[in-house]
Amino acid sequence: NAGVMQNPRHLVRRRGQEARLRCSPMKGHSHVYWYRQLPEEGLKFMVYLQKENIIDESGMPKERFSAEFPKEGPSILRIQQVVRGDSAAYFCASSHGKLYEKLFFGSGTQLSVL
Amino acid sequence: SQQGEEDPQALSIQEGENATMNCSYKTSINNLQWYRQNSGRGLVHLILIRSNEREKHSGRLRVTLDTSKKSSSLLITASRAADTASYFCAEGGSEKLVFGKGTKLTVNP
Repeated sequence: NAGVMQNPRHLVRRRGQEARLRCSPMKGHSHVYWYRQLPEEGLKFMVYLQKENIIDESGMPKERFSAEFPKEGPSILRIQQVVRGDSAAYFCASSHGKLYEKLFFGSGTQLSVL
Repeated sequence: SQQGEEDPQALSIQEGENATMNCSYKTSINNLQWYRQNSGRGLVHLILIRSNEREKHSGRLRVTLDTSKKSSSLLITASRAADTASYFCAEGGSEKLVFGKGTKLTVNP
């Protein structure tokens, strides 16, 4: 039973390019969460999705960032026109149900913007 | 900001000693969770304590919860070098978990 799979593990982009981060939740999980972590910081919530629906995107910047979780395939976090301040570790987590359940995390994608 | 706080920010102990980390939170919770993060890795769930519980044990871990003070503590007994990691508390009170900034624990052999 594979855990939460994130790819790529490391992603390097130049300013102005697009970054696409992928997340496949654990088998049987239909709830996906994206978090961002800066060095020596905790995790900051970005967005919570269920299949084909965005439930809560209150932590996501209004511009350049978008997320989706289609009926088929992985969840995608997309960052357009990246800037140096977007450099961070992005973690995806999944859960079976919703509301307060424990989360299972992927190993993260380290995004570096040159 | 809803983000809670762990205390201390960093803790260094010798192998075999006990490690205590504290967490203060701000919202009304359904549960309080503790996670561990090894350097460069994702978080791993350690233990969940519900708002109507006061203490919970799991192996060498003991968690307490005081809802009147909005605080929780994580005790790791008989620490090992492999316990070296960052530890985060997370408030489960809405549809998303809110994490604190973590305590960085170093266990010296």
